[in-house]
Amino acid sequence: QKEVEQDPGPLSVPEGAIVSLNCTYSNSAFQYFMWYRQYSRKGPELLMYTYSSGNKEDGRFTAQVDKSSKYISLFIRDSQPSDSATYLCAMEGAIKAAGNKLTFGGGTRVLVKP
Amino acid sequence: DTAVSQTPKYLVTQMGNDKSIKCEQNLGHDTMYWYKQDSKKFLKIMFSYSNKELIINETVPNRFSPKSPDKAHLNLHINSLELGDSAVYFCASSQVAGGRGNTIYFGEGSWLTVV
Repeated sequence: QKEVEQDPGPLSVPEGAIVSLNCTYSNSAFQYFMWYRQYSRKGPELLMYTYSSGNKEDGRFTAQVDKSSKYISLFIRDSQPSDSATYLCAMEGAIKAAGNKLTFGGGTRVLVKP
Repeated sequence: DTAVSQTPKYLVTQMGNDKSIKCEQNLGHDTMYWYKQDSKKFLKIMFSYSNKELIINETVPNRFSPKSPDKAHLNLHINSLELGDSAVYFCASSQVAGGRGNTIYFGEGSWLTVV
């Protein structure tokens, strides 16, 4: 079983709909939670970052973390065709002397149809 | 200007060959990484360098060797390529080493196909 599980999709929604993405994880040491967006043939880019539990909103994007359930979510409101991409969740533990060691989910492919 | 650039973007090579992928970042970051993305899209860290010092070395065959001539460059050399090495390799960088959800900036990837 992977440390971070994510439904690969594809998740197809009509333009303007709310996109709901989620990840579950097993390592209770994870404290930092991120969502990356990856367009086809491109590198991942950071969308949202949340520390510990709670919600965070940035424009059309809302990230939620429920550490008690080991479950994180990303919501995209008023989805646009340009939101079509693969969304990867990523997590890491507490501060270490060594570098960032993100653990990624496998990504969910999202298709927003005009 | 591309923040993290890597070359080549596409590479097709035969089994047994040796190849290198080069990476440069112009963000002034201290830490650089190599990640591997397999066919199922899982991204896994391979190596991390901070100030030219190797700080993360995951369980990677010793055919893979990173080299950091300076803080702005981190190259990946692969010896005796195998079919299973076919993947996308991403170079990345961040301001500092350590946690706190430090933003990691990825390059566009190098698609390696071993035939």
